[in-house]
Amino acid sequence: AQSVAQPEDQVNVAEGNPLTVKCTYSVSGNPYLFWYVQYPNRGLQFLLKYITGDNLVKGSYGFEAEFNKSQTSFHLKKPSALVSDSALYFCAVRDRGGNAGNNRKLIWGLGTSLAVNP
Amino acid sequence: DAEITQSPRHKITETGRQVTLACHQTWNHNNMFWYRQDLGHGLRLIHYSYGVQDTNKGEVSDGYSVSRSNTEDLPLTLESAASSQTSVYFCASSDSGAGAEAFFGQGTRLTVV
Repeated sequence: AQSVAQPEDQVNVAEGNPLTVKCTYSVSGNPYLFWYVQYPNRGLQFLLKYITGDNLVKGSYGFEAEFNKSQTSFHLKKPSALVSDSALYFCAVRDRGGNAGNNRKLIWGLGTSLAVNP
Repeated sequence: DAEITQSPRHKITETGRQVTLACHQTWNHNNMFWYRQDLGHGLRLIHYSYGVQDTNKGEVSDGYSVSRSNTEDLPLTLESAASSQTSVYFCASSDSGAGAEAFFGQGTRLTVV
């Protein structure tokens, strides 16, 4: 079965330190990969995506993510965390193959709560 | 600017009542989705649509229905509200391309008492 795992429910990091939020997936072939962020009482906002090409993808607010095909991972990173980065982060994948119907649905991880401490 | 809006933002209803949550997008996207978000479950897909007159069941569709009469709107109806349907509901839309990202509404917090 297709699935996305975010192994850490919560990540704590000090402001100014680098952060990593982990995501691994089990999807056939080479899926499209996405990261979204959710601030309190808000909807999800798109951060970045991997479609093809360079394995290191840069996105909004200084975030980047690295696609690793052999490890089926797409970890979210930021070199220097800000207190304002504290939020809930979701990883999602979409099957690149399959029929036209199935390949438009996203498969979601359960989310990781990031807390950046001043 | 294009956007996706949900209404109401908050709703309290009684068990057994029919409730409709509105979702309106001005992106001109073909794809629209309804999710519910609950602690420990992440986002779960309720229904989705790939275009006008097209609707499909997601993983938690029991007790919910949708209709797509135009591109802009995908209302979600709870036929007979149950306490188990107390949740935060999110509508999303995306372009038809498989690599397209989804855009989310701000959510509706529904409480069934």
